[in-house]
Amino acid sequence: DTAVSQTPKYLVTQMGNDKSIKCEQNLGHDTMYWYKQDSKKFLKIMFSYNNKELIINETVPNRFSPKSPDKAHLNLHINSLELGDSAVYFCASNPSGGFNSPLHFGNGTRLTVT
Amino acid sequence: DAKTTQPPSMDCAEGRAANLPCNHSTISGNEYVYWYRQIHSQGPQYIIHGLKNNETNEMASLIITEDRKSSTLILPHATLRDTAVYYCIVRGPWGGKLIFGQGTELSVKP
Repeated sequence: DTAVSQTPKYLVTQMGNDKSIKCEQNLGHDTMYWYKQDSKKFLKIMFSYNNKELIINETVPNRFSPKSPDKAHLNLHINSLELGDSAVYFCASNPSGGFNSPLHFGNGTRLTVT
Repeated sequence: DAKTTQPPSMDCAEGRAANLPCNHSTISGNEYVYWYRQIHSQGPQYIIHGLKNNETNEMASLIITEDRKSSTLILPHATLRDTAVYYCIVRGPWGGKLIFGQGTELSVKP
């Protein structure tokens, strides 16, 4: 199936650990994103990559480091996890950064930091 | 980026039309209005978007006022599976980022 897929779906870890979330899209899109949805359900953009290049970097702690090995993948690595990092992280993609291209979202990775 | 205002919640009877309003009074001339929805525990799903004209697809209709300061998403025959949070978003300049607000929590009831 064509889709944006994220792994893992659930991630439970302890404070201070380092973890990664993987995202892959087989839609042939050029641009990929990471969004964070906190406990209040606000969805906020974190990063955007276009053809492996970082184009959006919102005010995100530098413990978060996105990596795009190719335009079909955008992984999120988080160092020294904190309680406040607990959230659902969504990956998304679209064909280009222009106006007329809707984003396609994955189904999220629920990260719980204990 | 223009901000949007939506009612926090709405109810709709199954089989009836659901009309979800959105105010975006500071929208710029080249900004589109997008609608997404998020069903519980899933990723946001694109519904429809438009610039000036009314738009219709297999999911919904989008009515944009002539002054473009507000719009209405219409689900013509709501089903229980349409229960979700609906987000009205004004798309900013190139960069593609979507800025999500609080959205409207639509409950479709039997």
